[in-house]
Amino acid sequence: EAGVTQFPSHSVIEKGQTVTLRCDPISGHDNLYWYRRVMGKEIKFLLHFVKESKQDESGMPNNRFLAERTGGTYSTLKVQPAELEDSGVYFCASSLQGAETGELFFGEGSRLTVL
Amino acid sequence: SQQGEEDPQALSIQEGENATMNCSYKTSINNLQWYRQNSGRGLVHLILIRSNEREKHSGRLRVTLDTSKKSSSLLITASRAADTASYFCATPDRGTGRRALTFGSGTRLQVQP
Repeated sequence: EAGVTQFPSHSVIEKGQTVTLRCDPISGHDNLYWYRRVMGKEIKFLLHFVKESKQDESGMPNNRFLAERTGGTYSTLKVQPAELEDSGVYFCASSLQGAETGELFFGEGSRLTVL
Repeated sequence: SQQGEEDPQALSIQEGENATMNCSYKTSINNLQWYRQNSGRGLVHLILIRSNEREKHSGRLRVTLDTSKKSSSLLITASRAADTASYFCATPDRGTGRRALTFGSGTRLQVQP
């Protein structure tokens, strides 16, 4: 069974440009999460989908970030326009039951470097 | 400060020694989870302990949970060089109603061969 896959693994862009990160969760997992780790600091929650609905987007830093999960399958996270402080590793995770009862399965992450 | 705070931030030991990492949290929880992240890789789930459990074992891992002190510890016995990684505790934050996990900054473990 395929795990959580993320694309691209690494992206280098100029400040002001746009980047779209993609996450394919484990098939059948209704819960999909986005997290970000900046400069070795804590892993910060961004948002949580249940199927195609945004369950919680309280962690999204500002309106330059837009996440979608059309059809409840894969998800995209777009940053537009990118700023220097957006650099970091963006992790996607999925789960069957939700964090209250079970584990999250993480992808390898997408490293974003904004120059 | 964060819901999950690991201590120490960094730990260096020799192969064969035991490693103990601690985690403190603030709100009530129904479970606490530990994850490992090898450099440049994703997080891997290690163990989940429920709020009504005090101790749990999985191979060389031993996790304890003290809900009265809002703390947990992860013990890795007979460490190996391959255990070198960052370790994170994570909890569903019932205080905010968030249904996702809240992580801390992690403990960086270095096991010297």
